Amino acid sequence: QVLLVQSGAEVKKPGASVKVSCKASGYSFTSYFMHWVRQAPGQGHEWMGLINPSDGSTNYAQKFQGRITMSGDRSTSTVFMELTNLRPDDTAVYSCARGIRLAHPSDYWGDGTLVTVSS
Amino acid sequence: DIHLTQSPASLSASVRDSVTITCRASQVIGNSLAWYQQKPGKAPKLLLYFASRLQSGVSSRFSGSGSGTDFTLTISSLQPEDFATYFCQQYYLSPLTFGGGTAVEIK
Repeated sequence: QVLLVQSGAEVKKPGASVKVSCKASGYSFTSYFMHWVRQAPGQGHEWMGLINPSDGSTNYAQKFQGRITMSGDRSTSTVFMELTNLRPDDTAVYSCARGIRLAHPSDYWGDGTLVTVSS
Repeated sequence: DIHLTQSPASLSASVRDSVTITCRASQVIGNSLAWYQQKPGKAPKLLLYFASRLQSGVSSRFSGSGSGTDFTLTISSLQPEDFATYFCQQYYLSPLTFGGGTAVEIK
C-alpha cells in the first residue's frame, strides 16, 4: 500500500533551519509529484510547493521563495523540504502529499511533522 | 491567489442526518476542486475531485457538485465515522489554496 512516512517533530529557535523528510513506498516514486503543505495551529492548510522526483524540478509558492528548498533522493524514495530563517509563525504541522501533477489533488498524505519555532 | 470560503465553519448533526457544506472560490476555477476529510492527528483523506468524482474506496454517502465558483459537499445519512473536519482545495491555479475547513460534530 502507498505510505508516506515523515520524520519526527522538531523544535527550533528563530532564525534556524529545519529539514523535514518524507519517505515514500508502495508506488513508483518517480511517477508522482510531491507537494508540501503546512497547517498552523487553528489555521487552514497552506500549499508551499512541489517537487517532481523524476527530474528534481520544483515549483514554490511565492510566499516561500528564497527560504524553501525541496529535494529528492531517488535511491531511497525520499523527498525533503528545508525551510530557513524560521520565525515563530512558521510553527505548524508540515505534510507531504503526492499528486499526479501540479493541477491535481493529492490522493495520499503523510501524517505530518510538527515544527515548533520558539525562543 | 484564489481564496476559498467555506461555510459553515462548524455544524452539529445527528447520525442519519444529511448535511451540506459549501465552498466558494474568489474566481472561476472550472471544476478543479477537491474535498478532503481529516480526523484529529490523522492525514487528510481525499473524498472527491473534479468537484463530483468520487475517489476510489470512498462511500457513496459523499457527493459533490458545482462548477465555476460555487461548490457543495453533501454527506447523506451521517455515520459515526463521518464526524470530522472537511475542507476544499482548488488546483486550477498555482498556488493551490484551501478552504478554512468545516467541523462536523455530533449533536
